[in-house]
Amino acid sequence: GAVVSQHPSRVICKSGTSVKIECRSLDFQATTMFWYRQFPKQSLMLMATSNEGSKATYEQGVEKDKFLINHASLTLSTLTVTSAHPEDSSFYICSAPYINYGYTFGSGTRLTVV
Amino acid sequence: KQEVTQIPAALSVPEGENLVLNCSFTDSAIYNLQWFRQDPGKGLTSLLLIQSSQREQTSGRLNASLDKSSGRSTLYIAASQPGDSATYLCAVWLGGAQKLVFGQGTRLTINP
Repeated sequence: GAVVSQHPSRVICKSGTSVKIECRSLDFQATTMFWYRQFPKQSLMLMATSNEGSKATYEQGVEKDKFLINHASLTLSTLTVTSAHPEDSSFYICSAPYINYGYTFGSGTRLTVV
Repeated sequence: KQEVTQIPAALSVPEGENLVLNCSFTDSAIYNLQWFRQDPGKGLTSLLLIQSSQREQTSGRLNASLDKSSGRSTLYIAASQPGDSATYLCAVWLGGAQKLVFGQGTRLTINP
């Protein structure tokens, strides 16, 4: 089946530093990748949509200069949280659609900014 | 604007019971509907995908139905087990942009 591998699963960083999260489609080509953020005991909030070879589309209220998204190839999309602050601490998940299978999700990244 | 509602928000039942989780959506013009499971601190696992032309899908002890005209989907879990304890999310696909709109989820606890 369609698998999206997400790394790292957990990361702790100091305030002011940047953190990169990677999502790779392992057995299919993901022309589109969706990035979500999830707060404790809440549902997923779509942050942005990345398309291979073009600029990402950000949802309203999401700072594109803080959350840099790059879709360098058909199998790799990255989210970089720049100048991270404690309020950026959250659970980040990527997802890609796979025809006839539906959406497949990465395992998520727990970001803690101290 | 498409809105997805899941009822109940939380459910606790003894092991072995059959149960139904509900999902409703406001705009019947959906592309597909997908049910997911999320364990604490984990990503989402796809359970069932119902394409717009289908009315139901089955996988093992799970059965999901879709009634687009009434804006409803149900997830039926037969002979529940403690390992079924998780949060269950339904999501509707919006065509074109391929976006998913999620419900708030149902937190299910199966008591041994």
